[in-house]
Amino acid sequence: AQKITQTQPGMFVQEKEAVTLDCTYDTSDPSYGLFWYKQPSSGEMIFLIYQGSYDQQNATEGRYSLNFQKARKSANLVISASQLGDSAMYFCAMRGYGGSQGNLIFGKGTKLSVKP
Amino acid sequence: NAGVTQTPKFRVLKTGQSMTLLCAQDMNHEYMYWYRQDPGMGLRLIHYSVGEGTTAKGEVPDGYNVSRLKKQNFLLGLESAAPSQTSVYFCASSYPRGRTNEKLFFGSGTQLSVL
Repeated sequence: AQKITQTQPGMFVQEKEAVTLDCTYDTSDPSYGLFWYKQPSSGEMIFLIYQGSYDQQNATEGRYSLNFQKARKSANLVISASQLGDSAMYFCAMRGYGGSQGNLIFGKGTKLSVKP
Repeated sequence: NAGVTQTPKFRVLKTGQSMTLLCAQDMNHEYMYWYRQDPGMGLRLIHYSVGEGTTAKGEVPDGYNVSRLKKQNFLLGLESAAPSQTSVYFCASSYPRGRTNEKLFFGSGTQLSVL
């Protein structure tokens, strides 16, 4: 069975500092994709970044980067130069291709609060 | 371009009442999904569809039914609502899962309260 674990229910970071949100996963699929979504207080789900299991380079999208360590089964999100607008819930998710149904499964989320 | 549209945005039901949530997408996506979000639980998959006329159960399907009569629409039904179904419901759509980097596009959510 597939599983996503986010061990940090809540985190605080000072504005302009970097922060890492942890995500570990478990899957038996030979290939898979890892995603991060942001959910601000308004409620919508915003796609941030994607990492494929066979990608050689860590994914980056502006201030977001994904620290992918395949052997450790971790896919941590790094936000550089935090902004007040980064305060939100962040969800790690995985989609497998192989033995699993291939649906996107989510972790329980981390609530990030950026302090001015 | 509307993307994924959910109606209604808010609804209050009494226990035992029925209702249907409508999801419409204009991106010609094959796959559509219904998730529920509860505090501290993340998003959990209720049902999904890989194409017109097909549906399948997800992680938490009990108490819900779905239909996909048209490619662009995916309906979620509650036949007899229970307080445990109080939640935020999200619809999403995507291209086929032949490629694992196909992200899901989400609707804005429906806040449902069952009293």
